[in-house]
Amino acid sequence: EAGVVQSPRYKIIEKKQPVAFWCNPISGHNTLYWYLQNLGQGPELLIRYENEEAVDDSQLPKDRFSAERLKGVDSTLKIQPAELGDSAVYLCASSETGLTEAFFGQGTRLTVV
Amino acid sequence: QKEVEQNSGPLSVPEGAIASLNCTYSDRGSQSFFWYRQYSGKSPELIMSIYSNGDKEDGRFTAQLNKASQYVSLLIRDSQPSDSATYLCAVNVAGNTPLVFGKGTRLSVIA
Repeated sequence: EAGVVQSPRYKIIEKKQPVAFWCNPISGHNTLYWYLQNLGQGPELLIRYENEEAVDDSQLPKDRFSAERLKGVDSTLKIQPAELGDSAVYLCASSETGLTEAFFGQGTRLTVV
Repeated sequence: QKEVEQNSGPLSVPEGAIASLNCTYSDRGSQSFFWYRQYSGKSPELIMSIYSNGDKEDGRFTAQLNKASQYVSLLIRDSQPSDSATYLCAVNVAGNTPLVFGKGTRLSVIA
């Protein structure tokens, strides 16, 4: 069975440019998470979906970040415009339910220059 | 604010020894507890889950949960250099709350 798939793996952009990340969760997983991870820190939640509904987005900087999960499957996270401080690894994870094990994709390493 | 606390380390143990990693959490109503291993430059990999008080063993790994004291631990027996990584503790209070991670403990197994 395929795991969580993320793309791209790496992205380098200039500040003020837009960027988008894509995530395909494990088939049948209703819960989808986007986390941000800085070096030496644990993953920090940006947004959580239950099916197509964003149920926890209090940590998402809504002035520049947006996300969607169409049809409750794939998800896209967008940043516009990107700032230098957005350089980090963006991780997508999915689980069957909100209480069960979450599995991570390979992550997207974003560098803003 | 729900919190998950871990000692950042590094924790250094000799090869073949038992490594003990600890995690405390703030919300007494927490229901699900997970340990992830993260190698440098890689994404977190699930290694253990535990939902009820007591011990759960899987190969060289044992997870221990004590809800009364609000801590969960991970024991790694016969530690190997390949176990050197950062270990992340994650806790979920309920199905309608997000999975919250600690900052991780860096483990170094010395050959």
